[in-house]
Amino acid sequence: DAKTTQPNSMESNEEEPVHLPCNHSTISGTDYIHWYRQLPSQGPEYVIHGLTSNVNNRMASLAIAEDRKSSTLILHRATLRDAAVYYCILRDGGSQGNLIFGKGTKLSVKP
Amino acid sequence: DAGVTQSPTHLIKTRGQQVTLRCSPKSGHDTVSWYQQALGQGPQFIFQYYEEEERQRGNFPDRFSGHQFPNYSSELNVNALLLGDSALYLCASSLGDRATNTIYFGEGSWLTVV
Repeated sequence: DAKTTQPNSMESNEEEPVHLPCNHSTISGTDYIHWYRQLPSQGPEYVIHGLTSNVNNRMASLAIAEDRKSSTLILHRATLRDAAVYYCILRDGGSQGNLIFGKGTKLSVKP
Repeated sequence: DAGVTQSPTHLIKTRGQQVTLRCSPKSGHDTVSWYQQALGQGPQFIFQYYEEEERQRGNFPDRFSGHQFPNYSSELNVNALLLGDSALYLCASSLGDRATNTIYFGEGSWLTVV
């Protein structure tokens, strides 16, 4: 699986939007972009995934660059419960898809 | 609908001992994977089971072994425990292993080796 690069940490204020960036310059055409997050003392949970087009769900939006070499996870209104480590992961659509985690971005949300 | 459940939640073992961790996948899921997460690190893939067979394996020694039962539940066994095996062990399940399938994680088993 290709490698992703994320900032180690970010801060946000409650009720404000948060944009979490991810670089994946070596992404292949069959790689899906997945985001998972891990709240303190819990297992990771799925947030969103996409291939080429921007995606929205009840948790977040995923904006994918036209060349697919970067993407941004958007939390529209951060809450204290969104404080977590966010992982950007590439999964090859053509092979068996275990997850390869990096260190992720630790998001802090201030009241 | 119960999600992925793991047991025990916490345990302490002595160096050299053996440990067995258990996992029940989310209802309807047939694929189970195990991950090890050291403090401050992201989870690392250990292996994946499907149809009671190990399909993929990460970079872990043979001391780490597993099993999947006909009801899709799974066990992770670690022999000859080392201090460095202290970590959170996560079980994850999915329906198949396609890259578009959502993977669900349990809350993990915290293993401390002393």
